[in-house]
Amino acid sequence: QKEVEQNSGPLSVPEGAIASLNCTYSDRGSQSFFWYRQYSGKSPELIMSIYSNGDKEDGRFTAQLNKASQYVSLLIRDSQPSDSATYLCAVNGPSNTGKLIFGQGTTLQVKP
Amino acid sequence: EAQVTQNPRYLITVTGKKLTVTCSQNMNHEYMSWYRQDPGLGLRQIYYSMNVEVTDKGDVPEGYKVSRKEKRNFPLILESPSPNQTSLYFCASSAQGPYEQYFGPGTRLTVT
Repeated sequence: QKEVEQNSGPLSVPEGAIASLNCTYSDRGSQSFFWYRQYSGKSPELIMSIYSNGDKEDGRFTAQLNKASQYVSLLIRDSQPSDSATYLCAVNGPSNTGKLIFGQGTTLQVKP
Repeated sequence: EAQVTQNPRYLITVTGKKLTVTCSQNMNHEYMSWYRQDPGLGLRQIYYSMNVEVTDKGDVPEGYKVSRKEKRNFPLILESPSPNQTSLYFCASSAQGPYEQYFGPGTRLTVT
């Protein structure tokens, strides 16, 4: 089992719809969770971080964390063509280390 | 402008010829890390540094060396590059720990 798993996609949604991106992780001791966005040919950029169970909203983005189910998701409301990118889920490794483990990423396509 | 810089951006080299990829950040960040990105394998952490003079292995350290003599710089050294080290390399930094990282623009390395 991979430590951080994402469906590689592509996930295709129409403009204005809600895009739902999912990620599961294997280490129950993980405490910190991140979503990065990577446009083709560019470097990853952080869009959301979440550290406690529940929802965290920032503009059109909502991160959801469920530690019992070892599941973290990212919702993008009112999806725009400019949201088309690969979304990388990242999970902090064992406690008190500097390790960060990435999933393979989900490619999102928002069609006008 | 706050940024992480990497040099060179593109490099083609031959097997066995030692090379160094430099990474520098101007944000006074404690934490720095190197990743490689390969199709189908996602981003994988090579080495990280929690602060000056402290470095540790990530998931794929074999064939790489790092040093952290100054806070702003974190060079990646390939003593004897091999074709399986052909990849896209990213340096990243954050204020503390593997949280909310800023990524450099990437270095595309080809080893023939």
